[in-house]
Amino acid sequence: QSQLVQSGAEVKKPGSSVKVSCKASGGIFNSDGINWVRQAPGQGLKWIGGIIPIFGITNYAEKFQGRVTITADDSTTTAYMELSSLTSEDSAVYYCARTRRSDGYNFDYWGQGTLVTVSS
Amino acid sequence: DIQMTQSPSSLSASVGDRVTITCQASQDISNYLNWYQQKAGKAPKLLIYDASNLEAGVPSRFSGSGSGTDFTFTISTLQPEDIATYYCQRYDNLPPRFEFTFGPGTKVDIK
Repeated sequence: QSQLVQSGAEVKKPGSSVKVSCKASGGIFNSDGINWVRQAPGQGLKWIGGIIPIFGITNYAEKFQGRVTITADDSTTTAYMELSSLTSEDSAVYYCARTRRSDGYNFDYWGQGTLVTVSS
Repeated sequence: DIQMTQSPSSLSASVGDRVTITCQASQDISNYLNWYQQKAGKAPKLLIYDASNLEAGVPSRFSGSGSGTDFTFTISTLQPEDIATYYCQRYDNLPPRFEFTFGPGTKVDIK
C-alpha cells in the first residue's frame, strides 16, 4: 500500500527553524517528485517547493526562496522540508505530496499533514 | 507570475443539483490544470488531472473541461459526501523547472 507518513506536530519559537519529514512507502519515491504545500488556519493551499530525488532537482516558490530547503534521502525514501526564520505567519499545516509525472503532473498521494505552531 | 482565480468562492446547493465551479488563469496554461477536493481536517484528494481526465477511483459525477485560460469543474449530481472545498491547481513543467499554483478554493455546502 502506497503512502506518505509525516512527522509529528511541532511548536517553535519565532526566529527558529523547523524540519518536517515525509516517509514514502509502497514504491512511490523512485522517479517521482515530492512537493510540499502548506495551509494556514482557515486559508487555502500554498505550494512551497519540491524535489525530484532521482535527478536531485529542487524548485521553490518565490515567496519561500532563501528560507526553505527541501532534501531527500533515497536510502530511507524520506523527504524533508526545513523552513527557517519562522514567524507567526508560518503557523500552518504542512503537507507533503507525491508528484506523479507519468499521467500529467499532479499530486496523487498526500501525507497526513504536520501542524507547525510558531509562538513565543 | 500566472494568477489563478476561482468562482464562486462558496456555494450552497441541494442534493441532486448540478454544481459548476470555474477557474481562470491569467495566461494561457494549455490543459495544465488539476482539480482537488479537500474535506474538513483532511489532506486534499486529486479528482481531475490535465483539465478533463478523471483520476482512477473517482466517481463519474465529477468532471472537468476547458483549456487555455478558462476551466470548468462540474459535479453532475451533488451528494452529501461532496461537502468540501475544491481547488484548481495550475502547473508548469519545463525541466528542470517546475512550478505549481493553487486557486483560492470554492467551498461547497448542502442547502
